[in-house]
Amino acid sequence: DAGVTQSPTHLIKTRGQQVTLRCSPKSGHDTVSWYQQALGQGPQFIFQYYEEEERQRGNFPDRFSGHQFPNYSSELNVNALLLGDSALYLCASSLRAYEQYFGPGTRLTVT
Amino acid sequence: RKEVEQDPGPFNVPEGATVAFNCTYSNSASQSFFWYRQDCRKEPKLLMSVYSSGNEDGRFTAQLNRASQYISLLIRDSKLSDSATYLCVVNTNAGKSTFGDGTTLTVKP
Repeated sequence: DAGVTQSPTHLIKTRGQQVTLRCSPKSGHDTVSWYQQALGQGPQFIFQYYEEEERQRGNFPDRFSGHQFPNYSSELNVNALLLGDSALYLCASSLRAYEQYFGPGTRLTVT
Repeated sequence: RKEVEQDPGPFNVPEGATVAFNCTYSNSASQSFFWYRQDCRKEPKLLMSVYSSGNEDGRFTAQLNRASQYISLLIRDSKLSDSATYLCVVNTNAGKSTFGDGTTLTVKP
């Protein structure tokens, strides 16, 4: 049984560019949440998708957007990248709002 | 003030010691609670859910005090492999998860 997978593992982008990160949830899970984790901090909640709709959103600007597909996989898009967007981006899947299981993350560096 | 607050530590303890971590939360609408551990440069891994009646899993015991909006994690007989950052997580029924910034534990031989 595959766990949560994310791609790519690492990514380097330039300020102003756009990036798309991908996540496949654990088998049987229907909910995907995205987090941003800066060094020395806990993961910060970006948003959660359930039934292909954004269910909840944290305090992130509209530059951060997402999508969930019928197979429950999800994408996180970030437009107009800033240096401060450099972080580890984590995807977590769950069945409804129960325990979340995390993928290995995508490390994004913005130069 | 942060919604979920943890003592950042670090906690440096010898093998075999008992160590306790605390976590307070401010949102009274919080419904479910968890502890995760995170190793350096890895993803968080679920350690245990926290129930109102308290729960135990081997050397780990979690407690919840809703009246005081307080969660704790007790680790008995610490092992070298317990060295990690421990994250407290609070969820609302609406689906929003809030993580603390974590408490770092180092267990020394």
